[in-house]
Amino acid sequence: EVQLVESGGGLVQPGGSLRLSCAASGFTFSTYWMSWVRQTPGKGLEWVAYIKQDGSEKYYVDSVKGRFTISRDNAKKSLYLQMNSLRAEDTAVYYCARDVDSSSWYYSEYWGQGTLVTVSS
Amino acid sequence: SYDLTQPPSVSVSPGQTASIPCSGNKLGNRYVHWYQQKPGQSPVLVIYQNTKRPSGIPERFSGFNSGNTATLAISGTQAMDEADYFCQAWDSITHVVFGGGTKLTVL
Repeated sequence: EVQLVESGGGLVQPGGSLRLSCAASGFTFSTYWMSWVRQTPGKGLEWVAYIKQDGSEKYYVDSVKGRFTISRDNAKKSLYLQMNSLRAEDTAVYYCARDVDSSSWYYSEYWGQGTLVTVSS
Repeated sequence: SYDLTQPPSVSVSPGQTASIPCSGNKLGNRYVHWYQQKPGQSPVLVIYQNTKRPSGIPERFSGFNSGNTATLAISGTQAMDEADYFCQAWDSITHVVFGGGTKLTVL
């Protein structure tokens, strides 16, 4: 059974940093693209970043470029999101997702339960 | 940037067919995927690559994509189908884009 378990969320002040983790199990982690998607409370979904199987390619939504860094450790079957210079508008539930990719499509096949990040003074 | 537009809400009577549209410029040239999200839960993939259903998703869920509009259809809608539904597309420039979501109410 595919399982994705996020951790690391919490309350942080504006300008602060937080590192999210996602522990994967039930599949061969190193063979999948992985992504982070966030959802503002009561609002829609927003893709944040994704990373290739070997970590050689990473892409980000414009609003987090230069502030967030996605990474992975295939030996530990873990995905990470380092978030720096956090802003109030980064407040959201952050989901880790296992993805399916091709030259023509990309979608998230499995999602974790999410971890809440609140940026507030 | 590329935008996907969904109506905020759709209502349907039990047993009827619900249609949830998702519009975007030349969307028919892209693959569209659909997610269902119930209150307090994570999104679940219900349609991928325009028309395909993942294992475990009931046959009453179907998808279609042509022109500027993709549609998620739920035939014989049941109370358990009441949820938020999000469409999603991808390209190599914009990367992943989600629609704003549609709240399906089964009256």
